[in-house]
Amino acid sequence: DIQMTQSPSTLSASVGDRVTITCRASQSISRWLAWYQQKPGKAPKLLIYKAASLEGGVPSRFSGSGSGTEFTLTISSLQPDDFATYYCQQYNSYPVTFGQGTKVEI
Amino acid sequence: QVQLVESGGGVVQPGRSLRLSCAASGFGFDYYAIHWVRQAPGKGLEWVAVISFDGRNKYYADFVKGRFTISRDNSKNTLYLEMNSLRVEDTAVYYCARDPHTSTTVDAEFFQHWGQGTLVTVSS
Repeated sequence: DIQMTQSPSTLSASVGDRVTITCRASQSISRWLAWYQQKPGKAPKLLIYKAASLEGGVPSRFSGSGSGTEFTLTISSLQPDDFATYYCQQYNSYPVTFGQGTKVEI
Repeated sequence: QVQLVESGGGVVQPGRSLRLSCAASGFGFDYYAIHWVRQAPGKGLEWVAVISFDGRNKYYADFVKGRFTISRDNSKNTLYLEMNSLRVEDTAVYYCARDPHTSTTVDAEFFQHWGQGTLVTVSS
């Protein structure tokens, strides 16, 4: 199975900050990576797919980059609605696997 | 709009069975592969199983193989997860999630649409 490792696990930030979350895969997954945002008690919401493609309706302050084994999710200017937990997911092969999550808090 | 609504969760004793359902609407259900993904309380996301658009192809995570069965009834736009021999560690919110594209294959994919989840608690 492909292991996905996110860092950091927790991130303290303020409104307006530029925030970067890293996701590393245990083997190359090309660009088959997605990012999700999850708020407490809610289902995950798709933000980014194919490493850098923005899902429709997602604000442009979210961006993704990377390929192979190293990927990043960047929020250019953190907004109050962005405080949440973020997960990466590889879909290069089954079983699809997720990172352990990064909680973005104040 | 796309809607996925899970039901069937509850409290069950270890070793017992439970069947979850996921009712779909707002899209051509019989054109898409659908997945189950779970999340233990306070933990991360864990993929459980997938079924192809026609129900012929199924894949499972190793930790549920032989215990869980995914199925679908396209005439009812409904996905199922039959869970047998439940363990305490199966306690989680179970989400159904849809592939982003119609496909005749069951390639690994990201999840474009999710249900709200149903909580399964396995406890004596």
